[in-house]
Amino acid sequence: SQTIHQWPATLVQPVGSPLSLECTVEGTSNPNLYWYRQAAGRGLQLLFYSVGIGQISSEVPQNLSASRPQDRQFILSSKKLLLSDSGFYLCAWSVLREKLFFGSGTQLSVL
Amino acid sequence: QQQVKQSPQSLIVQKGGIPIINCAYENTAFDYFPWYQQFPGKGPALLIAIRPDVSEKKEGRFTISFNKSAKQFSLHIMDSQPGDSATYFCAASKDDKIIFGKGTRLHILP
Repeated sequence: SQTIHQWPATLVQPVGSPLSLECTVEGTSNPNLYWYRQAAGRGLQLLFYSVGIGQISSEVPQNLSASRPQDRQFILSSKKLLLSDSGFYLCAWSVLREKLFFGSGTQLSVL
Repeated sequence: QQQVKQSPQSLIVQKGGIPIINCAYENTAFDYFPWYQQFPGKGPALLIAIRPDVSEKKEGRFTISFNKSAKQFSLHIMDSQPGDSATYFCAASKDDKIIFGKGTRLHILP
């Protein structure tokens, strides 16, 4: 069966510090991978998605980046965090877009 | 740019009532419209979905109504139960890109 791992579950970081969130998927090959951010009143905001290794589509962020170094690994990074980067970050995968499977999320607080 | 507009932001309904959540989209290229349900502390999970060639789809107590000309779709929950209390997201998709609405916090009173 397929599983998705996302860590850490919670993270408190000072403004200006770097960020690295990792997501891995097991039990499937060549999944589509997604990073979403959930902030109060803003719903689920699509940040990045990837349909293959090294293929990243960016939707919104200015100081966030994503990478897909392996087929089932998706990494969200920042060189310098802003206060506005606080939120609940969700990784998701799908084989066909008909069903997204979400991870358990990372609650990021930037202070 | 908000491509999927969802309303209301929150909704309170008595048990057995029929909550209705509405969504509108702008991009006519969208060709797949799912609804996701999220409980506190969890990631969203797919509830039901529809394609634009169908005007209605039912799965159990959940129904999607779709109006292609108006670029609107809605979720109806029949015989709502306290266990249906959650946040509901509509979404629209084209190819591999999936855009969500802002969500509706639904509370069903016992």
